[in-house]
Amino acid sequence: NAGVTQTPKFQVLKTGQSMTLQCAQDMNHNSMYWYRQDPGMGLRLIYYSASEGTTDKGEVPNGYNVSRLNKREFSLRLESAAPSQTSVYFCASSEEGIRFYEQYFGPGTRLTVT
Amino acid sequence: AQSVAQPEDQVNVAEGNPLTVKCTYSVSGNPYLFWYVQYPNRGLQFLLKYITGDNLVKGSYGFEAEFNKSQTSFHLKKPSALVSDSALYFCAVRDSSASKIIFGSGTRLSIRP
Repeated sequence: NAGVTQTPKFQVLKTGQSMTLQCAQDMNHNSMYWYRQDPGMGLRLIYYSASEGTTDKGEVPNGYNVSRLNKREFSLRLESAAPSQTSVYFCASSEEGIRFYEQYFGPGTRLTVT
Repeated sequence: AQSVAQPEDQVNVAEGNPLTVKCTYSVSGNPYLFWYVQYPNRGLQFLLKYITGDNLVKGSYGFEAEFNKSQTSFHLKKPSALVSDSALYFCAVRDSSASKIIFGSGTRLSIRP
């Protein structure tokens, strides 16, 4: 099992450009998440999807959109990138139920917006 | 609202000594508590969790944590630190009635030989 995969690993964008970060998981998890990690601020939730076909905003959703394409895939789109979106982005997945809840993370995408 | 605090940005310990990384939380319902570790340029890895049951939970790499309801704490501990334990550690909490996990700001653990 590959677990959670993310593409690309690195990306440099100019202000105003758009891009989509891809995430896929092969653990048959219902819940998927997008976080950003900035120095000294821990992880902040951007969007999450509790099940296929549903998405909800997290702490910092402005400037982002998401698509839960199917149970495996959850993409994050930046429509018009800004320097404030320079960050490391992590995708995660989890299963619900008293025996579960822990999240499994992908390796991250390091995004720089100039 | 749920929140989690890691009061120490950095913890320094000599190899072989016990280590503690502190975490306190606030939730309105029952807490689900987690510890994760992050090595440089990697994603977070799950270490251990408290959902229900015994207050002392054991996890990967010899780590353990104790759930203390009266002090609303979930400190991470290890009896004997290794240099390879040096990493960034995150505490996280989820209210049992919520669907989101909130992460602390992280504590950098540095183990000197």
